Amino acid sequence: NAGVTQTPKFRVLKTGQSMTLLCAQDMNHEYMYWYRQDPGMGLRLIHYSVGEGTTAKGEVPDGYNVSRLKKQNFLLGLESAAPSQTSVYFCASSDTGYYGYTFGSGTRLTVV
Amino acid sequence: KNEVEQSPQNLTAQEGEFITINCSYSVGISALHWLQQHPGGGIVSLFMLSSGKKKHGRLIATINIQEKHSSLHITASHPRDSAVYICAVRGGGSEKLVFGKGTKLTVNP
Repeated sequence: NAGVTQTPKFRVLKTGQSMTLLCAQDMNHEYMYWYRQDPGMGLRLIHYSVGEGTTAKGEVPDGYNVSRLKKQNFLLGLESAAPSQTSVYFCASSDTGYYGYTFGSGTRLTVV
Repeated sequence: KNEVEQSPQNLTAQEGEFITINCSYSVGISALHWLQQHPGGGIVSLFMLSSGKKKHGRLIATINIQEKHSSLHITASHPRDSAVYICAVRGGGSEKLVFGKGTKLTVNP
């Protein structure tokens, strides 16, 4: 089925470890986004991309890096994980940033 | 103060009841989205509104641009409607959404 695929779905990291979350979409969407969702808070934008080769900072970018080398993939990296990065991470894509968004199923990350 | 406020935070209803969830925002917007997050965590886009009213099955979404307010209505609610409903707005000239904290709806049989 067409959509947004996130890998992995679950991960436990030790403080200081690094990891990369992969988001892949097969809808030829230009816009891609990484959000984090924490209890009692709305989804917060980490980084986003408005096209292949472009990235921009969102609301909470510190401690994260991203890359969009191919249009269909948007990678989120944690260079040195911290317990404060324990969260559920969602990727989303949109054709124009205006119309409906398609979300991935989320990655639950725990940093111990 | 969050730019997007939803009410109520939690809502419990009996099957068959008419449900209303409200969303108020403080900035000028180009679009407002209603999303549904299932208990398993997946997020689905329900509506995108820039004016007026949209209907899909038992779901109705309305927006009043002048009052900076939107409502999501569910008619003849069912236990499968139990989910978190999230309002998000896109500011004029922005590619980004700002999200409300969500309304947790529980529909009891």
